[in-house]
Amino acid sequence: DSGVTQTPKHLITATGQRVTLRCSPRSGDLSVYWYQQSLDQGLQFLIQYYNGEERAKGNILERFSAQQFPDLHSELNLSSLELGDSALYFCASSVAVGAYTGELFFGEGSRLTVL
Amino acid sequence: DQQVKQNSPSLSVQEGRISILNCDYTNSMFDYFLWYKKYPAEGPTFLISISSIKDKNEDGRFTVFLNKSAKHLSLHIVPSQPGDSAVYFCAASASNQAGTALIFGKGTTLSVSS
Repeated sequence: DSGVTQTPKHLITATGQRVTLRCSPRSGDLSVYWYQQSLDQGLQFLIQYYNGEERAKGNILERFSAQQFPDLHSELNLSSLELGDSALYFCASSVAVGAYTGELFFGEGSRLTVL
Repeated sequence: DQQVKQNSPSLSVQEGRISILNCDYTNSMFDYFLWYKKYPAEGPTFLISISSIKDKNEDGRFTVFLNKSAKHLSLHIVPSQPGDSAVYFCAASASNQAGTALIFGKGTTLSVSS
């Protein structure tokens, strides 16, 4: 158990809909990262928050947004969903501001299926 | 453009033999490298890391080698065990670049047969 909690574990929805994925980081971790793993793709970095502020941005679509709340949990909002958005979405946390100190602790992921 | 490449999608090895997983990177600013292991229905877990000031780091059965001039790193598992069967991700970061994050490769699926 990494200590990172993601909900829901599975989600099935239709194209054009909007969903929210939730992540609770490990106790004491201030950084939250979101990654997307599509079929045959690696872990694509989406966005990082540190103590409520956006710190780094990757290949995140404009239809996607995220935020980190004062209690440090984070939400990833995916809107106007398309079939290609079907993927595993991982949240990870770390104590550090940046990723360079290395270890990220990952949740089990939220599997999104868009029909 | 893929900055971290794992060109072998899969690798099959017999129990007791050596497993060698390879990774190439293109960004010369990367100075910290990690390997993560992922079992089905679980999140990736950290395995071993290496800083660019070193060329080798060992932890039990796992050794990571870094060749900076070739922009190449490899993970050696000796001896391989069936429980090592998983997807292995190579990752890299640039510690002196603000606003960057850990970049992952596509992964290599290792199958260790008994």
